[in-house]
Amino acid sequence: NAGVTQTPKFRILKIGQSMTLQCTQDMNHNYMYWYRQDPGMGLKLIYYSVGAGITDKGEVPNGYNVSRSTTEDFPLRLELAAPSQTSVYFCASSPRDRLMNTEAFFGQGTRLTVV
Amino acid sequence: QKEVEQDPGPLSVPEGAIVSLNCTYSNSAFQYFMWYRQYSRKGPELLMYTYSSGNKEDGRFTAQVDKSSKYISLFIRDSQPSDSATYLCAMHSSGGSYIPTFGRGTSLIVHP
Repeated sequence: NAGVTQTPKFRILKIGQSMTLQCTQDMNHNYMYWYRQDPGMGLKLIYYSVGAGITDKGEVPNGYNVSRSTTEDFPLRLELAAPSQTSVYFCASSPRDRLMNTEAFFGQGTRLTVV
Repeated sequence: QKEVEQDPGPLSVPEGAIVSLNCTYSNSAFQYFMWYRQYSRKGPELLMYTYSSGNKEDGRFTAQVDKSSKYISLFIRDSQPSDSATYLCAMHSSGGSYIPTFGRGTSLIVHP
């Protein structure tokens, strides 16, 4: 059982380049999230999705875009990368079922450096 | 004032010590409280999950919620070097989108 899979694990981008961080989950979860984690700063929500075709902004959405065409996939797009986007990015999913199970399952993270 | 406050530490304790990790929050609508553990270079994983006030125990771990004080705690008994990690509290309300709000995380180091 793979859970939440993120690719790539590491990436170095030049300023102004674009890239897509991939996230796939095989648990049939409705909710999916993208967070960024800077040292000592906890997790900040970038975007989230409550189901296929539905996305919404989180706390820090500027410079990012997402799409959710299937239940399984939730890619994060960085356009015109900036040094401020250097961070560790985590994708997560949760079932949000009728028993109020909101446990978030996280991927292993993508370490992105923008130079 | 942030919605969830958590001291980032680091907190360094000897093996066998009782550890107390804490978070305060300002949103009185929060009803669901969680503790996640994150090892270095890994994603967080759920450790404890509690609803409303009270205590919940799981092995060496006890989660405590005091809604009147807007204060939650995680106690670790007989701490082990393998408990060395960052502990993040998270919480959300019973209405709306149920998106959890995370604390900054507290770095715990248990030395032999």
